[in-house]
Amino acid sequence: DAGITQSPRHKVTETGTPVTLRCHQTENHRYMYWYRQDPGHGLRLIHYSYGVKDTDKGEVSDGYSVSRSKTEDFLLTLESATSSQTSVYFCAISGDGGGNTDTQYFGPGTRLTVL
Amino acid sequence: QKEVEQDPGPLSVPEGAIVSLNCTYSNSAFQYFMWYRQYSRKGPELLMYTYSSGNKEDGRFTAQVDKSSKYISLFIRDSQPSDSATYLCAPGGRDSSYKLIFGSGTRLLVRP
Repeated sequence: DAGITQSPRHKVTETGTPVTLRCHQTENHRYMYWYRQDPGHGLRLIHYSYGVKDTDKGEVSDGYSVSRSKTEDFLLTLESATSSQTSVYFCAISGDGGGNTDTQYFGPGTRLTVL
Repeated sequence: QKEVEQDPGPLSVPEGAIVSLNCTYSNSAFQYFMWYRQYSRKGPELLMYTYSSGNKEDGRFTAQVDKSSKYISLFIRDSQPSDSATYLCAPGGRDSSYKLIFGSGTRLLVRP
């Protein structure tokens, strides 16, 4: 988890409210990813970023948006949270500038409950 | 059919046993193969990775890839209670923006 923080670590919210999760890195990695982890599904990619202001959709992007205005921060927004978005959310980074872009390093996770 | 299949377990073994964890995948374009270990309520941590068919050894851990049969294995020798965790396989490819496709994970319990 060194060099990657996620905030908040835990959040309980109500259906229909907007939620923003933050991923912050101090490693200057180019790529950043948001995953959700649910029982029986493993880690599924929501959105990813390949540079400042450069983002793309992953496997399960519906209902989520992202923004990356600077290298170190990648924000995930649930515009109107639903109970199906109750999950554990992980941020990951890769691309250390030393030629190794393949390996991803994960943050500690955010546990989100939507009531 | 999922792109990466992994038996969810749980797999329960006595301390000192040799453990074999396996995944199959369907996309022949995958170029590298990661294994992550995840302890309860923690983020996944990179354990090993390999780029080619064959074996790669790191201490008590050996990663094996057979690209012809699209089969990935992780062997743990002399398993310890501290190895109790969920193990995730994750193949990926540079032509897909370095995205990894994760298996659902196998939960391992090593009994003292």
